[in-house]
Amino acid sequence: EPEVTQTPSHQVTQMGQEVILRCVPISNHLYFYWYRQILGQKVEFLVSFYNNEISEKSEIFDDQFSVERPDGSNFTLKIRSTKLEDSAMYFCASSLQGAYTSGRGEQYFGPGTRLTVT
Amino acid sequence: GDSVTQMEGPVTLSEEAFLTINCTYTATGYPSLFWYVQYPGEGLQLLLKATKADDKGSNKGFEATYRKETTSFHLEKGSVQVSDSAVYFCALSRQNFVFGPGTRLSVLP
Repeated sequence: EPEVTQTPSHQVTQMGQEVILRCVPISNHLYFYWYRQILGQKVEFLVSFYNNEISEKSEIFDDQFSVERPDGSNFTLKIRSTKLEDSAMYFCASSLQGAYTSGRGEQYFGPGTRLTVT
Repeated sequence: GDSVTQMEGPVTLSEEAFLTINCTYTATGYPSLFWYVQYPGEGLQLLLKATKADDKGSNKGFEATYRKETTSFHLEKGSVQVSDSAVYFCALSRQNFVFGPGTRLSVLP
C-alpha cells in the first residue's frame, strides 16, 4: 500500500540553525500539507500546497517557515532560524483531492519527524 | 472558526469493555468527519470517516455515525483489545483539517 514517508525520523538542532524536513508524498497525490504536534498537545495545521504554491497557511506559519517541492517527488519544510518552541513532531500529509475543493479529501499522514531544538 | 471538541482523557478500560469517545464539532456548512489513531511512537493513521449526515464509518470494529442534529461523531467499539491502546483524534475537513485535542486510550489485560 502506498504511504507517505518522512526523513529524518528525529532531528536535533541548535537554536538559530536552519532545518529542512523532508517528505515524499504518495505519488499520484496533488495536495500536500504540513502539521505539527507539540508534545502532548493537539495536531495543528501549518500549511497546504497545491500546484506549486501555498494554498493556505495558518498563523503559526510565519516568515521563518517555507515549503518547497524541489522535484517531482519531495516536499520540504524549512525552518530558517529555529527557536526552542519549534520543538515538536512535524507531520507531512498528502491527498488526492483538496479538502477545500470537496471537503472530502482524505489525507494520508507520514510517520512524522521529531524536531528537538536545544 | 471551525473547531473539534473531544472528551478529556486518559480513558482506561479493561479488555473486552465497551468504548465510547465523544466528539462534537463546530463548523459552517457540512464538513467531512474523521477519526485518526496514533499508536505509540507512530504517525497518524486514518481509522474511519463519514462524508455526510447519517453516514456511518466503520473499520476494525470501530464505528462512528455523523449526526448533524447534534454535531457529533462519537467513536464506539463493542469490545476493546490491548492493541487498541493509542491516542484517538477526531477531525473535520472543510477548508483544511481541524483536529481535536486527542483522547488517550489505555486498555488493560
